[in-house]
Amino acid sequence: QLQLQESGSGLVRPSQTLSLTCVVSGGFINNDDYSWSWIRQPPGKGLEWIGYVYHSGSTYYNPSLKSRVTISVDRPKNQFSLKMSSVTAADTAVYYCARSGGFGLDCDHWGQGTLVTVSS
Amino acid sequence: SYALTQAPSVSVSPGQTARFTCSGDKLGDKYFCWYQQKPGQSPILVIYQNTMRPSGIPERFSGSSSGDTATLTISGTQAMDEADYYCQAWDRSSYVVFGGGTKLTVL
Repeated sequence: QLQLQESGSGLVRPSQTLSLTCVVSGGFINNDDYSWSWIRQPPGKGLEWIGYVYHSGSTYYNPSLKSRVTISVDRPKNQFSLKMSSVTAADTAVYYCARSGGFGLDCDHWGQGTLVTVSS
Repeated sequence: SYALTQAPSVSVSPGQTARFTCSGDKLGDKYFCWYQQKPGQSPILVIYQNTMRPSGIPERFSGSSSGDTATLTISGTQAMDEADYYCQAWDRSSYVVFGGGTKLTVL
């Protein structure tokens, strides 16, 4: 059974960089059929796609976040990561990692999510 | 930028049919999917590739589309179906977009 688990700092100071890692178990990230996504959800609000990465390292980002976001993959460790720079309170959210694939990049497996709070 | 529009809320009685719509420019020409999210939980994929149901999702969940609108239908709604429902679309000319979500209340 594929599982994804997010980890990283739960509290980030304004203007600093948010860093999260998603460890994939029960399957291999080195799979041409899937990409690996980051999605966030501010408290009480809807879902927002951040971006995704293929095991080759190719990335695609939400244009509204592109200037601040980097998603990378570590194949030997079977994990992928998110870095978001210059964070503000508006970046406070639950951050999910997910496996995405198929014709519509639908996310069929999700991590449990991790709350990141931006506050001084 | 591409946008998907969902109604904020839907209310039905147990056993009735719940319908959720998702509107976007030429949405019928794109691939879309639907997620269910209960409070404090991660989203669950309930429809993918417009009409396909993942294993383990009850047959009462179905997807369809016409023109600019995608529809998720729950036939014979149960109390356990009370949740938020999100549509998501993607095609190669745009990035991945979520709708704003619809809250289902089972009265």
